[in-house]
Amino acid sequence: KAGVTQTPRYLIKTRGQQVTLSCSPISGHRSVSWYQQTPGQGLQFLFEYFSETQRNKGNFPGRFSGRQFSNSRSEMNVSTLELGDSALYLCASSMPRDRGRQETQYFGPGTRLLVL
Amino acid sequence: GDSVTQMEGPVTLSEEAFLTINCTYTATGYPSLFWYVQYPGEGLQLLLKATKADDKGSNKGFEATYRKETTSFHLEKGSVQVSDSAVYFCALSGMSSASKIIFGSGTRLSIRP
Repeated sequence: KAGVTQTPRYLIKTRGQQVTLSCSPISGHRSVSWYQQTPGQGLQFLFEYFSETQRNKGNFPGRFSGRQFSNSRSEMNVSTLELGDSALYLCASSMPRDRGRQETQYFGPGTRLLVL
Repeated sequence: GDSVTQMEGPVTLSEEAFLTINCTYTATGYPSLFWYVQYPGEGLQLLLKATKADDKGSNKGFEATYRKETTSFHLEKGSVQVSDSAVYFCALSGMSSASKIIFGSGTRLSIRP
């Protein structure tokens, strides 16, 4: 079974621009989560989508947004880029379990974004 | 809120040495616990997991036991190899928000031949 795929793998943008990152989950997985990884802040949860709806959200400004399509693929958008947005953005997919039971998330290789 | 604390690195060992990376957590209820590994230039790979107290997760010679009484999930391996050099993250998924993983700060492990 193919793993989580993310495109593009590398991206260079300038301040003020916007960027869209894409994530295709493992076949059959309906939940997609996004994380930001930086040397200073480590791994931080951005948001999670399930059945095209945002189900959970981390503490990031509104410049960070996302969406999910009917085939479970997800996109993440960052508007008005800042230097501090330079990071590795990781997507993870999971197959939701019963209410109250934890899900195991499987990660993609990430998109490395550099903002100049 | 929920949190994970793991030993700071870097940790440098010789090949075939015994490895322990300490991890403790704070969470309400009974979270699931994970160890993820990140090789240079790559994303995160699930190494092992445990979903209830006294469970032992194991994979590729690595083991970790879910200790509710000490709120710990220490990672161990009896004989490390050069190929084990990577960054290791302890993580939890809490009852209140199963879809959100809380990660520790990561421990960089380097193995000398």
